[in-house]
Amino acid sequence: EAGVAQSPRYKIIEKRQSVAFWCNPISGHATLYWYQQILGQGPKLLIQFQNNGVVDDSQLPKDRFSAERLKGVDSTLKIQPAKLEDSAVYLCASSLDSGREQFFGPGTRLTVL
Amino acid sequence: AQSVTQLGSHVSVSEGALVLLRCNYSSSVPPYLFWYVQYPNQGLQLLLKYTSAATLVKGINGFEAEFKKSETSFHLTKPSAHMSDAAEYFCAAGGQGNLIFGKGTKLSVKP
Repeated sequence: EAGVAQSPRYKIIEKRQSVAFWCNPISGHATLYWYQQILGQGPKLLIQFQNNGVVDDSQLPKDRFSAERLKGVDSTLKIQPAKLEDSAVYLCASSLDSGREQFFGPGTRLTVL
Repeated sequence: AQSVTQLGSHVSVSEGALVLLRCNYSSSVPPYLFWYVQYPNQGLQLLLKYTSAATLVKGINGFEAEFKKSETSFHLTKPSAHMSDAAEYFCAAGGQGNLIFGKGTKLSVKP
């Protein structure tokens, strides 16, 4: 069974630029999560989707971050414009349904200069 | 609100020694509790989970954790450390979806 795929694996941008991350969850998983993991900290949930609907985006900085899962499968997370403090690893996870075991992708390491 | 505290950001043990990684949670209702392991440049892998069944939970790679309600703890143990156990370990609490993670404990194993 293929795992959660993420791309790119690494990205370096300058502040005020835009960046987008892509996630392909495990086939059949209805729930998709985006987490931000800052160096030295545990992952923090940014947004949770159930199929193509948003369940929880209370910790998403909506002035600069956006995410979508239009067809209920793949998802993209965008930052526009990026700030230095956005440097982190962005993890995507999926689960069969909300509350079930979450499977994590390898993450995208973002460096903002 | 739920919170998870991991005591010790870095733990070092000798190969063959006992591994003990500490985790305390704060919640009015015992949540689901998890331990994840993260190897360098990889995502998180589930080690074990507590979902209100047996209080002693066995996971992969010889790890186990005991849920103690009176102490609001869910410490991770392994009787004998192996070099391949060197990684970062995260304790997490959750209910119907969102996971709240601790800050992580980096485990080093000395030969």
